[in-house]
Amino acid sequence: DVKVTQSSRYLVKRTGEKVFLECVQDMDHENMFWYRQDPGLGLRLIYFSYDVKMKEKGDIPEGYSVSREKKERFSLILESASTNQTSMYLCASSPPRAGDYGYTFGSGTRLTVV
Amino acid sequence: GDSVTQMEGPVTLSEEAFLTINCTYTATGYPSLFWYVQYPGEGLQLLLKATKADDKGSNKGFEATYRKETTSFHLEKGSVQVSDSAVYFCALRGGYQKVTFGTGTKLQVIP
Repeated sequence: DVKVTQSSRYLVKRTGEKVFLECVQDMDHENMFWYRQDPGLGLRLIYFSYDVKMKEKGDIPEGYSVSREKKERFSLILESASTNQTSMYLCASSPPRAGDYGYTFGSGTRLTVV
Repeated sequence: GDSVTQMEGPVTLSEEAFLTINCTYTATGYPSLFWYVQYPGEGLQLLLKATKADDKGSNKGFEATYRKETTSFHLEKGSVQVSDSAVYFCALRGGYQKVTFGTGTKLQVIP
C-alpha cells in the first residue's frame, strides 16, 4: 500500500528550539509539499519541491526552511520555534501531473510549541 | 491568484439525508478540481476529481460536476451515513502544480 509517512503524530517543543519534521514517501513521486492546517484557515502551503535539492516558497514560508537531499524524503525545519507555529502539519506528494492524480497526504504531525 | 470558497460549517444531517456542500472557485485558465476528505485524526484523502468542464467526478456515492459557467464544483450525496462524518475540502489545481484548498466544511451525521 503506497503511502506518505510523517515521523511523529504528536510533538511538543519549547519556544526557541530547532524543530525537524520528517516526511517520507514510497511512491517515487517527484513533487512534495508541506502544508499547515489551522481552524478556519484551511490548508496553507509552506514550501514545495519538484525534485531533489530544489525547493520553492509557498504562501507562508516565514520562519520555516526545508531540505530535500533524497527524492523520497522532504524535511520541514522550524529554525526557532514560536508559539504561533503551533499547528497541524501535513506533508503530501504527487507525480508531476498533479492535476490528474491529486495529492497523497500523510497523517499529519500535530506540533505544540510551549 | 487562485482561490476556493466553500460553505461554512458545521453541517449536521440525519442519517439518509441528502447532502450538498457548495464550492466555488476563482482561477485563470482551466483548472482541475478536487474534493478531499479528512476523517478524524487522519490526513486528507482524495475523494473525487474532475479535470475539465462538464466532467462529473464520483466515488463512494459522492458526486460533483465541474460547472465552468458558474465556476462551481458542489459536492452531493443522496443518502449520508454516520461513517461520512468528516471534514471535506474543495480544491483546485491551477498552474505550476500547486493545489489551492478551501477552508473545509465539517459534516456531522447523526443516527
